[in-house]
Amino acid sequence: DAKTTQPTSMDCAEGRAANLPCNHSTISGNEYVYWYRQIHSQGPQYIIHGLKNNETNEMASLIITEDRKSSTLILPHATLRDTAVYYCIVRVGGDYGQNFVFGPGTRLSVLP
Amino acid sequence: SAVISQKPSRDICQRGTSLTIQCQVDSQVTMMFWYRQQPGQSLTLIATANQGSEATYESGFVIDKFPISRPNLTFSTLTVSNMSPEDSSIYLCSVVKLSEQYFGPGTRLTVT
Repeated sequence: DAKTTQPTSMDCAEGRAANLPCNHSTISGNEYVYWYRQIHSQGPQYIIHGLKNNETNEMASLIITEDRKSSTLILPHATLRDTAVYYCIVRVGGDYGQNFVFGPGTRLSVLP
Repeated sequence: SAVISQKPSRDICQRGTSLTIQCQVDSQVTMMFWYRQQPGQSLTLIATANQGSEATYESGFVIDKFPISRPNLTFSTLTVSNMSPEDSSIYLCSVVKLSEQYFGPGTRLTVT
């Protein structure tokens, strides 16, 4: 699976959009971009994933560049409860029994 | 989706003793994964547990230290043997299902 690069930490004001970038310049054509987050002392939680089209769900939006070498996770109206470590993972899609490899992630702090 | 439970949720153990962590999934899965998360760190895969065969361990983890059982398709155990303070971590059970990875709530282990 391709490697990803994320900033170590970011701050965001409560109520504003949080934009978390991720670089994955070696991504292959069949690899998806996944985002997970881990709120303190809990197991990681799935947020969203996509292949090449932008995706949106009730939690977030995922914007993938046309060359697929980078992506941005957008939390449209960040709340204090969104403070967490956010992991960007690139992985072949499908239920192939492969685990997800977690990098250090981005520590997002939502400030009041 | 998959709902995963772990027991115990936390424990404080003396060095030199062993602790067995249980993981129960609400549906049948082929592979189950065990992760370790040391304080302030990201997740590290310990091993992959297949039903009916030996677990596959990642580099740096050995069966004598972390024996794993997988008696059926919904259950697994991880034992942390001969514990030392360096084993103080959160241990997480996980499965992959339909392109998403699901995590249990984790077991917080403190070794004194």
